[in-house]
Amino acid sequence: KAGVTQTPRYLIKTRGQQVTLSCSPISGHRSVSWYQQTPGQGLQFLFEYFSETQRNKGNFPGRFSGRQFSNSRSEMNVSTLELGDSALYLCASREPGTSAEDTQYFGPGTRLTVL
Amino acid sequence: GENVEQHPSTLSVQEGDSAVIKCTYSDSASNYFPWYKQELGKRPQLIIDIRSNVGEKKDQRIAVTLNKTAKHFSLHITETQPEDSAVYFCAATPFGDKVIFGPGTSLSVIP
Repeated sequence: KAGVTQTPRYLIKTRGQQVTLSCSPISGHRSVSWYQQTPGQGLQFLFEYFSETQRNKGNFPGRFSGRQFSNSRSEMNVSTLELGDSALYLCASREPGTSAEDTQYFGPGTRLTVL
Repeated sequence: GENVEQHPSTLSVQEGDSAVIKCTYSDSASNYFPWYKQELGKRPQLIIDIRSNVGEKKDQRIAVTLNKTAKHFSLHITETQPEDSAVYFCAATPFGDKVIFGPGTSLSVIP
């Protein structure tokens, strides 16, 4: 099976803009989680989607949102970008996805730079 | 709240020596503890995991121990090799519904 893919791999935006990132999970995986990775904060959980519904949410402001489509592909959106949003955004999928104890497989990430 | 602490933040060892990374978690409802390895410029990958009904698990040179009473777990790497150099993340699963990661340990194995 193909692994988790993310597009685009790199993005440069300016403050105040918005951005949409995409994640395609491994075929058959219904759970997709998003993480923000920064040098100082490690891997911070953003949210998780399962069968098109947000199942869990981390402690991020409402500017961060996401959705999942019927084919399990997921997008996350960040509005009104701030300098501090510069980070590597990773998504991860798991099967069957009904429990956090199922093994997660990560995508390569999208490197977002906000100028 | 849900929190995973990890120590040390950086670790340097000579090739062939052992490396130990320790984590503590705050939520006693966690029952699953995975460890991920992230090499420079690459995605995190699961290297070993342990569930709360087991005290220790080994996979070749890697082992993980869990003390649920004390709420801490550790990663042990024996006979370290240069390719073990990476950032290692521990994680816990509060209430089994999401994965919370520790801040990471940067391991350098010196040839």
